[in-house]
Amino acid sequence: GAVVSQHPSWVICKSGTSVKIECRSLDFQATTMFWYRQFPKQSLMLMATSNEGSKATYEQGVEKDKFLINHASLTLSTLTVTSAHPEDSSFYICSAPGQPQELFFGEGSRLTVL
Amino acid sequence: AQSVTQLDSQVPVFEEAPVELRCNYSSSVSVYLFWYVQYPNQGLQLLLKYLSGSTLVKGINGFEAEFNKSQTSFHLRKPSVHISDTAEYFCAVTINQGGKLIFGQGTELSVKP
Repeated sequence: GAVVSQHPSWVICKSGTSVKIECRSLDFQATTMFWYRQFPKQSLMLMATSNEGSKATYEQGVEKDKFLINHASLTLSTLTVTSAHPEDSSFYICSAPGQPQELFFGEGSRLTVL
Repeated sequence: AQSVTQLDSQVPVFEEAPVELRCNYSSSVSVYLFWYVQYPNQGLQLLLKYLSGSTLVKGINGFEAEFNKSQTSFHLRKPSVHISDTAEYFCAVTINQGGKLIFGQGTELSVKP
């Protein structure tokens, strides 16, 4: 099946710094990718839809300036958490539609902001 | 808008017993339904999906689910669970194949020896 890879798997950073998380589709191209956020013991909440070559579409309540999304190529989308604070600590998961017409998920990236 | 409700947040069960994880959805248009499993600190793995056709869907690891349009349900079942089935299970819905998924709250399945 299709493979989606995220990097890094774990990241710890100081409050106020920015962190970039990469999402790659390894064996297929994706014009769209989805970024989800998951707090402990909770469900996945869609943050935004990443669109190759154009601006991302953010869900209501998600700060665009806080969570910068770039989809520079057909195999790579990045999520940058700017000026991170402890409340941004979470598990971030990306996904991309592959074949046959289903979403494939990355392994997730756990962000801890100290 | 679509929504998904998983009726049980936790389901404890003994090994080799049958299990049912319940999922109900709400939508004004036709939907596609999915069940995913998540192990600790990992991403999601697809168990099964309903796109069209037979309402009884068989997935991996011995799981199956039945789409019931009249009851807007998509319950997940397994006739005999293993310790290794202990995980978080998510029901999800989309109105577009390959489109964004809306997830339920999740059900923690805990299989005890």
